Amino acid sequence: DGGITQSPKYLFRKEGQNVTLSCEQNLNHDAMYWYRQDPGQGLRLIYYSQIVNDFQKGDIAEGYSVSREKKESFPLTVTSAQKNPTAFYLCASSLLTGRNQPQHFGDGTRLSIL
Amino acid sequence: GQQLNQSPQSMFIQEGEDVSMNCTSSSIFNTWLWYKQDPGEGPVLLIALYKAGELTSNGRLTAQFGITRKDSFLNISASIPSDVGIYFCAAGRGGGADGLTFGKGTHLIIQP
Repeated sequence: DGGITQSPKYLFRKEGQNVTLSCEQNLNHDAMYWYRQDPGQGLRLIYYSQIVNDFQKGDIAEGYSVSREKKESFPLTVTSAQKNPTAFYLCASSLLTGRNQPQHFGDGTRLSIL
Repeated sequence: GQQLNQSPQSMFIQEGEDVSMNCTSSSIFNTWLWYKQDPGEGPVLLIALYKAGELTSNGRLTAQFGITRKDSFLNISASIPSDVGIYFCAAGRGGGADGLTFGKGTHLIIQP
């Protein structure tokens, strides 16, 4: 079945450690996105990518990094510079056409600090 | 950034009641989307609206794209227990991958 797969489901980070969240899609979508969700805050955009080897900062990119080496994959690294990383992280993908295509979401990764 | 004002923030209703929630903005958008999120899962698309004035149904759900292009509402008729969750509106201006703005969600709780 086509879809978006995020892993792991739960992740724990120690102080000063970088961690990488995986996102893979087999929908042949052009664009991919990373969002952070905190209770009562809705979804905030971290990074997005329209094509391979290109990505743009969203509203809260500080302390995060991404890569887009393959169309299917858009991993997110939460660096030690992100001082408040505890949150639910959602990856999404969409087609790119002349109008906003719906974004389809994975099931998220919950990151906690040890 | 741009903001969508989604209300109410939460709703406590009884099974069988109808539900109405809305999303407003001071800016014009060309696309309105409604999502539902269950605990611990990603949002799932419910309805997509692309034309001002458009009224679209998906089972017991009905959503409308406001004629001013600055608002949208979602109605749920005859609520059932599996309707519990958080409902998000999202809006975009078209084309670019950065185009969607999300509301903060309406938390729907159904009392027995």
